Amino acid sequence: DVKVTQSSRYLVKRTGEKVFLECVQDMDHENMFWYRQDPGLGLRLIYFSYDVKMKEKGDIPEGYSVSREKKERFSLILESASTNQTSMYLCASTPRLNEQYFGPGTRLTVT
Amino acid sequence: ELKVEQNPLFLSMQEGKNYTIYCNYSTTSDRLYWYRQDPGKSLESLFVLLSNGAVKQEGRLMASLDTKARLSTLHITAAVHDLSATYFCAVDRYGGATNKLIFGTGTLLAVQP
Repeated sequence: DVKVTQSSRYLVKRTGEKVFLECVQDMDHENMFWYRQDPGLGLRLIYFSYDVKMKEKGDIPEGYSVSREKKERFSLILESASTNQTSMYLCASTPRLNEQYFGPGTRLTVT
Repeated sequence: ELKVEQNPLFLSMQEGKNYTIYCNYSTTSDRLYWYRQDPGKSLESLFVLLSNGAVKQEGRLMASLDTKARLSTLHITAAVHDLSATYFCAVDRYGGATNKLIFGTGTLLAVQP
């Protein structure tokens, strides 16, 4: 079975803190994604990566950056967390042109 | 602007009844995905529809794709409480050539005993 894990299920951070969310997949997938999910807005793509060290902005990249140093790991970084970044963050991975496999999600609260 | 619209957004139905969730999209994609999300949980892949006329069934759920009409349906037969969840459809925003999906806002299904 494909397994996508995320470093935390719940996280509480203060405004201005630097926040790291990590995602690891064990299936040698090329593509990895970060989404945020908010009520009434569905899932919105923040960034995706199609290979090690390769990244592309999604629909809402502002305030976020990413890092992919190894194929299995894709990190989302909030350089200076703000309250409007309180959300559920979902990581996903996929082999080429196939359905995406999602991690369990990290519910981030910024106070 | 690329759009994926689901309706209804909320569906309350009784056990044993049938219903259909609709997913309309504005891009010319021949690849459509359906996902299920239980409360507080992540998304689980249900169906991948890869071509016009594709139909897939799993238990009480059946999904179909009409690429000419840019429409997919998720039909629920004889609903049971265990099907209560939020259902999302998603399409590849570049017509199936990438994995950059755009998701609908979801349909919250509540099956009442």
